[in-house]
Amino acid sequence: DQQVKQNSPSLSVQEGRISILNCDYTNSMFDYFLWYKKYPAEGPTFLISISSIKDKNEDGRFTVFLNKSAKHLSLHIVPSQPGDSAVYFCAATSGGSNYKLTFGKGTLLTVNP
Amino acid sequence: DTAVSQTPKYLVTQMGNDKSIKCEQNLGHDTMYWYKQDSKKFLKIMFSYNNKELIINETVPNRFSPKSPDKAHLNLHINSLELGDSAVYFCASSQEWAGWFDGYTFGSGTRLTVV
Repeated sequence: DQQVKQNSPSLSVQEGRISILNCDYTNSMFDYFLWYKKYPAEGPTFLISISSIKDKNEDGRFTVFLNKSAKHLSLHIVPSQPGDSAVYFCAATSGGSNYKLTFGKGTLLTVNP
Repeated sequence: DTAVSQTPKYLVTQMGNDKSIKCEQNLGHDTMYWYKQDSKKFLKIMFSYNNKELIINETVPNRFSPKSPDKAHLNLHINSLELGDSAVYFCASSQEWAGWFDGYTFGSGTRLTVV
């Protein structure tokens, strides 16, 4: 049972344009969401997070939007840079879960120069 | 200084063998985790320890046994390795601050190949 879904396995954008990565979840108990970035042969690294009490969180070029009614979140990267090319994982957790993160399958972002 | 370090990075072994993967974190975090990334690329939790106490134990075969000698170390021992155990295993750690949780710090992974 996939509680966190990233339906696009890959995304390709031009340098300087916006990258939009999407994530859907089914568990209404999730109240904290995170995005991780992963380069080949490395572990995932934390990018940005959002609590369910907010609908937007911004950090430099990265913005995460949360739509609780649709159980949907998205990561916007503006402007996209070639160094952003990586696999992006969406993850979610809930209070009382001992901070167990449930991950999506990931989306491979390729930013073309 | 590596925050979460795993050894070895690569491990190739034959079916039926017993192997261990070690993990150490120098962040002072209280909680450590083992995740498995299978061939379908899903990252799934296996175990979690908080201050040496097991707090999460997902449905994992008994052949997998975590051991936490102290809160900075969480090792994974696997008995009687099977082909299906081939995967990348990630160690991670986290810390809760006054009810706030800022996610995991991951190690770089151990690619286990069972032949």
